[in-house]
Amino acid sequence: KAGVTQTPRYLIKTRGQQVTLSCSPISGHRSVSWYQQTPGQGLQFLFEYFSETQRNKGNFPGRFSGRQFSNSRSEMNVSTLELGDSALYLCASSLDPRTDTQYFGPGTRLTVL
Amino acid sequence: ELKVEQNPLFLSMQEGKNYTIYCNYSTTSDRLYWYRQDPGKSLESLFVLLSNGAVKQEGRLMASLDTKARLSTLHITAAVHDLSATYFCAVDIENYGGSQGNLIFGKGTKLSVKP
Repeated sequence: KAGVTQTPRYLIKTRGQQVTLSCSPISGHRSVSWYQQTPGQGLQFLFEYFSETQRNKGNFPGRFSGRQFSNSRSEMNVSTLELGDSALYLCASSLDPRTDTQYFGPGTRLTVL
Repeated sequence: ELKVEQNPLFLSMQEGKNYTIYCNYSTTSDRLYWYRQDPGKSLESLFVLLSNGAVKQEGRLMASLDTKARLSTLHITAAVHDLSATYFCAVDIENYGGSQGNLIFGKGTKLSVKP
């Protein structure tokens, strides 16, 4: 079965702009989590959605937001981009985060100039 | 503060040798995950450890979990070049504040296996 897909794969933006990233989970998975990966901070949790509800949010400013649709697809939005937002953004899906591993997508590489 | 600490962060091994990567965590959790990441790639799930004393093996890799010591190990047996990658452990902090799907990652161990 198809894995987690993320679009776009690469994105270049300038400071002050906003960006929307998309994630389609594995079919049947209702939990979607987002992570940011940077060389300095490593992998950091952004937020998790389950059945269209945000269940948890990491320690990121309000410029980072997300949502989940009824088909479990998820989007994350970053407004007023800063240079420090340059990172690999990874989306992961799972059946049940309590017992199932999270399956990661290929990521979206965001570069902010 | 919640912490997940891996050591070593860098590991250069010769083929055929054995070594262990350690993952210590500071919060109560009985779920721990190991992932592999190749350069420029996403994360690949290796092991899910769901209880104290859990041990799982796949090929030359074996992972174990001691929740009392808050320690997980990833043991590499007779390393081969194909194992070169960065290995991450991650702790599920669902017990901390009732959250789910929230993994706290270690900084990763960059493994290089040389012939």
